[in-house]
Amino acid sequence: DQQVKQNSPSLSVQEGRISILNCDYTNSMFDYFLWYKKYPAEGPTFLISISSIKDKNEDGRFTVFLNKSAKHLSLHIVPSQPGDSAVYFCAASAGSNYQLIWGAGTKLIIKP
Amino acid sequence: SAVISQKPSRDICQRGTSLTIQCQVDSQVTMMFWYRQQPGQSLTLIATANQGSEATYESGFVIDKFPISRPNLTFSTLTVSNMSPEDSSIYLCSVWTDNQPQHFGDGTRLSIL
Repeated sequence: DQQVKQNSPSLSVQEGRISILNCDYTNSMFDYFLWYKKYPAEGPTFLISISSIKDKNEDGRFTVFLNKSAKHLSLHIVPSQPGDSAVYFCAASAGSNYQLIWGAGTKLIIKP
Repeated sequence: SAVISQKPSRDICQRGTSLTIQCQVDSQVTMMFWYRQQPGQSLTLIATANQGSEATYESGFVIDKFPISRPNLTFSTLTVSNMSPEDSSIYLCSVWTDNQPQHFGDGTRLSIL
């Protein structure tokens, strides 16, 4: 039973355009959501998070949107850069921010 | 954020043998975790390493196969025992403290022949 779903295994975006990565969840108890980026041969790196009391959080080129009624969140990267090419994982937690449930990841490819 | 050193970074092992992976943090942390990432898959939590006591294992993982130690607040080891080709994965250590997001080491890429 996948509680956190990233339905797109990969996404290809032109450099300079917007990248939108999506994540859906089923557990209504989730109240904290995180995005991690992972390069090959490295561990995941924390990118941005959002609490369920908010619907948007922004950090530079990265914005996360949360739609609680739809149980959906998305990560927007604008403008996309070649260094953004990586696998992006969505993760969620309920009641604590260390017990994480992970999505399967989306491989983002930025084309020059 | 904490600096996490994980050793070895990669290894190739014979089936039936065991390998111990070390995770060293440059500061005291509240929680330490061990994950597995099988090829093309997401991260799966193996266990929470508890300081001074037995680790807490997730469903599907047992102490005999994945013994874990955490003698202090900055160090933990994961042993992969009696390895088979199905154990070929990336093994990741992560830490959590002070309400911060989990931070990960660079992982150990393990291949079993």
